[in-house]
Amino acid sequence: EVQLVESGGGLVQPGGSLRLSCAVSGFTFSDHYMDWVRQAPGKGLEWVGRTRNKANSYTTEYAASVKGRFTVSRDDSKNSLYLQMNSLKTEDTAVYYCARVATVVTRGCDYWGQGTLVTVSS
Amino acid sequence: DIQLTQSPSFLSASVGDRVTITCRASQGISSYLAWYQQKPGKAPKFLIYAASTLQSGVPSRFSGSGSGTEFALTISSLQPEDFATYYCQQLNGYPLTFGGGTKVEIK
Repeated sequence: EVQLVESGGGLVQPGGSLRLSCAVSGFTFSDHYMDWVRQAPGKGLEWVGRTRNKANSYTTEYAASVKGRFTVSRDDSKNSLYLQMNSLKTEDTAVYYCARVATVVTRGCDYWGQGTLVTVSS
Repeated sequence: DIQLTQSPSFLSASVGDRVTITCRASQGISSYLAWYQQKPGKAPKFLIYAASTLQSGVPSRFSGSGSGTEFALTISSLQPEDFATYYCQQLNGYPLTFGGGTKVEIK
């Protein structure tokens, strides 16, 4: 069974940092691209960023709203995905989901975690 | 960036109704479009990829159509478990983007 479990959310002050983790099981993690998607309270979904797999040199892509502040990384030996968030702003407050990109990359995200809440507030 | 505009934003319908949600892209995206269903407090669920292909396990009352800039998600006979918010997502280019969502509520 495919499982993705996020952790690391919480309350942080503006300007602070936080690192989210996503532990996966039930599939060959190293084969897949992985995404982070967020959802502000009462709002829609926003794509945050992507890491490609080893075959594609672990390259990354980001939304303009987080580029230069957030970093997506992965550790295939630990079946884990990470999101390092720096210089946090109040508008980064959201539930953050990790999601597995389908084998055919242009299909979308076929499995999602349950999400972890990040609150940026003083 | 490619903008996706969903309409309507809100839809009130009854069990058994046929429902259609549209998603318009600001530029052509071929068939690189996915649809997701999200219920309150839950993660999105993957419904359709490549604009019209049902993900395994998704009921056949769901269907997708379109290519280029105009897309649609249709539910042929609305069931109680289908009341949710639906999102389209384009996968043609970065940054990936989602539509604003369509909330389907019980009339």
